[in-house]
Amino acid sequence: NAGVTQTPKFRVLKTGQSMTLLCAQDMNHEYMYWYRQDPGMGLRLIHYSVGEGTTAKGEVPDGYNVSRLKKQNFLLGLESAAPSQTSVYFCASSPRTGWDYGYTFGSGTRLTVV
Amino acid sequence: KNEVEQSPQNLTAQEGEFITINCSYSVGISALHWLQQHPGGGIVSLFMLSSGKKKHGRLIATINIQEKHSSLHITASHPRDSAVYICAVAPYGNKLVFGAGTILRVKS
Repeated sequence: NAGVTQTPKFRVLKTGQSMTLLCAQDMNHEYMYWYRQDPGMGLRLIHYSVGEGTTAKGEVPDGYNVSRLKKQNFLLGLESAAPSQTSVYFCASSPRTGWDYGYTFGSGTRLTVV
Repeated sequence: KNEVEQSPQNLTAQEGEFITINCSYSVGISALHWLQQHPGGGIVSLFMLSSGKKKHGRLIATINIQEKHSSLHITASHPRDSAVYICAVAPYGNKLVFGAGTILRVKS
């Protein structure tokens, strides 16, 4: 089925470890986004991309890096994980014109940093 | 003050009841989205609207741009409607801003 696929679905990290979350979409969408979801708060934008080879900071970018080497993939990296990064991470994509069009979300990655 | 406020935060209903979830926002927008998130699941887009009303099955979404307010209605609610419902707005030329969500539980 067409859509947004996130891997892994669950992960436990020790403080200071690194990891990469992968987001893949097969809808030829230009825009891709990484969000984090914490209890009692709305989704917050970490980084986003408006096309292959481009990335930009969102609302809460500190401690994260991203890359979009291929149009269909958007990677989120944690270089040195901290307990404050315990969260559920969602990737999303949308067509070229972005904000005014429907979003497709992945199923989420639940990350625990101990 | 958050740009997007949802009410109620939590809602418990009996099967068959008519449900309303409200969303108020404080900025000018080009579109408003309603999303659904099942426990432990991903997020699904239900509606995107910029004016008037949209209906899909038992779900109805309305928006009043002048009053900066939107409502999501569920008719003949069912336990499978239990989920978190999220309102998100698209301010002009800017990225989506999300509400904290309304947790809905429908009891049989």
